[in-house]
Amino acid sequence: DAMVIQNPRYQVTQFGKPVTLSCSQTLNHNVMYWYQQKSSQAPKLLFHYYDKDFNNEADTPDNFQSRRPNTSFCFLDIRSPGLGDAAMYLCATSRVRGSYNEQFFGPGTRLTVL
Amino acid sequence: SQQGEEDPQALSIQEGENATMNCSYKTSINNLQWYRQNSGRGLVHLILIRSNEREKHSGRLRVTLDTSKKSSSLLITASRAADTASYFCATDDNNAGNMLTFGGGTRLMVKP
Repeated sequence: DAMVIQNPRYQVTQFGKPVTLSCSQTLNHNVMYWYQQKSSQAPKLLFHYYDKDFNNEADTPDNFQSRRPNTSFCFLDIRSPGLGDAAMYLCATSRVRGSYNEQFFGPGTRLTVL
Repeated sequence: SQQGEEDPQALSIQEGENATMNCSYKTSINNLQWYRQNSGRGLVHLILIRSNEREKHSGRLRVTLDTSKKSSSLLITASRAADTASYFCATDDNNAGNMLTFGGGTRLMVKP
């Protein structure tokens, strides 16, 4: 089945220790998104890729970076995680950019920062 | 800023009852989407309603949109315990490059 896969499902890191979260998709969608969701809150868009075109949200901290080496994979790098970065990180895809397209979400990676 | 605000924040009902969740938003939109999220999981798309539509149905789901009041409602009829989840509305914010902006969500609990 076509899907969005996130690894790992649970990630524990130490304060200040870089961490990378991964996302892959078999949908062959052009757009990939990274969201941060804190407990009982709405998902917040961090950035998205339209093909290789990277689009950063204005209020996304510099601590967060992303890479998309090919259509199928996208990575979220947190360079120096702080306690406030503990959250669920959701990857999503859509066929094209534009609001009439539904987004397909992965199961998320829950990040704990010690 | 959060585009969508949802009401109520939490809702508890008995199996078989109907559940109504409301979403209000601030700016003009092209469409509004509803998503469901089971605890600790990703979001699943439920339904999309365009700004020129007033009502849409999908199985036990009924969505209405009132652009004059900038509000939408999601009705789940004949609820089941398996409907227990958080429900989010998402709008395409014309001021945010038409990216989706999610509301705070309604946590629905359906008791068997």
